[in-house]
Amino acid sequence: EDQVTQSPEALRLQEGESSSLNCSYTVSGLRGLFWYRQDPGKGPEFLFTLYSAGEEKEKERLKATLTKKESFLHITAPKPEDSATYLCAATTDSWGKLQFGAGTQVVVTP
Amino acid sequence: DVKVTQSSRYLVKRTGEKVFLECVQDMDHENMFWYRQDPGLGLRLIYFSYDVKMKEKGDIPEGYSVSREKKERFSLILESASTNQTSMYLCASSATGYEQYFGPGTRLTVT
Repeated sequence: EDQVTQSPEALRLQEGESSSLNCSYTVSGLRGLFWYRQDPGKGPEFLFTLYSAGEEKEKERLKATLTKKESFLHITAPKPEDSATYLCAATTDSWGKLQFGAGTQVVVTP
Repeated sequence: DVKVTQSSRYLVKRTGEKVFLECVQDMDHENMFWYRQDPGLGLRLIYFSYDVKMKEKGDIPEGYSVSREKKERFSLILESASTNQTSMYLCASSATGYEQYFGPGTRLTVT
């Protein structure tokens, strides 16, 4: 059965304290791995798409990487505005149907 | 910028009522999706549509139906609302094979 698992469930960081979030996947025929950011009471906001092992994408303090079994979202020198729930999702079909992980809630304190 | 709008941010309905949730996208995307999001369960796909008048069941279609009469509009219908359908409902759209863009969500409470 296809599965996407995120860890940890929650992460509390001091401002400037870098860390990584994990997304492990067991799906047959990965066609894309997506990262989203979700603020409370809002819809998920697209961050990155990764298509093949070894690929990396960066945006400001965020960097996403992909291996054959998992993806990491690295947060470098986080600021309080990086506080959010980060979701990863995988797709295995041409329509792009997503299977989501449960998310990692990140809180960055000043 | 892609814009996906949903008809209501908050909705309160009574058990047994028929409920319509509307979603509109402005990017001429082929695909549209309806999810529900519940604490501890994450986002789960209810239905999706890859073309006008075409629909496919997702992981949890029971108790729901959908309608897509125009490319930009995708409606989710709760035929007879029940309390276990209290949830956050999220609509998304995408060009085929690419990332999905989400609306702001509708928080539905069924009493």
